[in-house]
Amino acid sequence: EIVLTQSPGTLSLSPGERATLSCRASQSLSNSQIAWYQQKPGQAPRLLIYGASSRATGIPDRFSGSGSGTDFTLTISRLEPEDFAVYYCQQYGSAPTFGGGTKVEIK
Amino acid sequence: EVQLLESGGDLVQPGGSLRLSCAASGFAFSSYAMSWVRQAPGKGLEWVSAISGSDAKTYYADSVKGRFTISRDSSKNTLYLQMNSLRAEDTAVYYCAKSYTNAWYYDWGQGTLVTVSS
Repeated sequence: EIVLTQSPGTLSLSPGERATLSCRASQSLSNSQIAWYQQKPGQAPRLLIYGASSRATGIPDRFSGSGSGTDFTLTISRLEPEDFAVYYCQQYGSAPTFGGGTKVEIK
Repeated sequence: EVQLLESGGDLVQPGGSLRLSCAASGFAFSSYAMSWVRQAPGKGLEWVSAISGSDAKTYYADSVKGRFTISRDSSKNTLYLQMNSLRAEDTAVYYCAKSYTNAWYYDWGQGTLVTVSS
């Protein structure tokens, strides 16, 4: 099983600031098979990024993904009020696994 | 537009059984792999099971293997999860999730709550 470790657990930022979220895999993902999701309280997750860096349909360009091998990053260039949520990474190189999540909260 | 509507969640006693359903619309259901993913209260996401689109090959997490059975009925555009020998640790919101072509990242339904308690 590929274990995904997300950091930090919580990120306290103000609207307009830049958010950088990390996801580290226990094994190399040779085809960058990483997706990122946003989840708000009481809602289902929403796909943001797939293939480590491709934005899903309708996702604003302030969201970007990068990385390869074992280290991946989700960046939100300027936080909007609606971006405060929990973010999960997921690998699909083998049986799917998810990271533990990063909560982005208002400072 | 992809729509996934789960149903069947309920309160059930330990050792009991439950069947979840997911009605799919807005896409060619038989062409896509489908999964169930769960989320225990206040916790993260856990993949539970998947079924391929073409040959209905099934896959399970170790935590549910031998207790849960995934199936699909393409004539009804519906995905199922039969859950037997339920345990307290199976308590979670269960999401139905549609895979993308040849890749298991997901579009999600709204979820259905399963509570296992006496």
